[in-house]
Amino acid sequence: KNEVEQSPQNLTAQEGEFITINCSYSVGISALHWLQQHPGGGIVSLFMLSSGKKKHGRLIATINIQEKHSSLHITASHPRDSAVYICAVPRGSNYKLTFGKGTLLTVNP
Amino acid sequence: EPEVTQTPSHQVTQMGQEVILRCVPISNHLYFYWYRQILGQKVEFLVSFYNNEISEKSEIFDDQFSVERPDGSNFTLKIRSTKLEDSAMYFCASREIDTQYFGPGTRLTVL
Repeated sequence: KNEVEQSPQNLTAQEGEFITINCSYSVGISALHWLQQHPGGGIVSLFMLSSGKKKHGRLIATINIQEKHSSLHITASHPRDSAVYICAVPRGSNYKLTFGKGTLLTVNP
Repeated sequence: EPEVTQTPSHQVTQMGQEVILRCVPISNHLYFYWYRQILGQKVEFLVSFYNNEISEKSEIFDDQFSVERPDGSNFTLKIRSTKLEDSAMYFCASREIDTQYFGPGTRLTVL
């Protein structure tokens, strides 16, 4: 079983829609990362959170440590939000990241 | 804003050749990582590096792989004798406290 599971794998939305991407993990963690990977391949860190909720612009990330679940929400989605969104958790004293498979989001105009 | 850089952006090589992928981490960071992503698959951890030595490596990181910090700024990943299955995107990351900053990646194609 993967330590980090994301759903859905693929998501297509119309511009303006509210988007939710889910991440569940099976291990004890201190924090969780949400990352964005654009078609060119580069990875950008969006959020690191260990409890509650964080907001940055139209992006909101929440985490429930007890339920081992996190969500990434995008409000008023836009075609430029089209990317792969990846959930990752740090493991061990070296803080290496274990990644989910990613959610491919396509926002159509 | 400081960023992690990687060169080259794309490397094409013949099977059996040696390749060196280069990374310049953010200057005051102390923890460095290499990850790889085979096309269509998830990102996987290869190796972490701290205090001029490997702190952890995955089972992927066999004797064909090595890392080095030759001059205090560059951080390199060497693959001695490339195989077709080494074709992937290789990401370098550096860490300050609890956030990892990723480079743009090097796409390695082994023919």
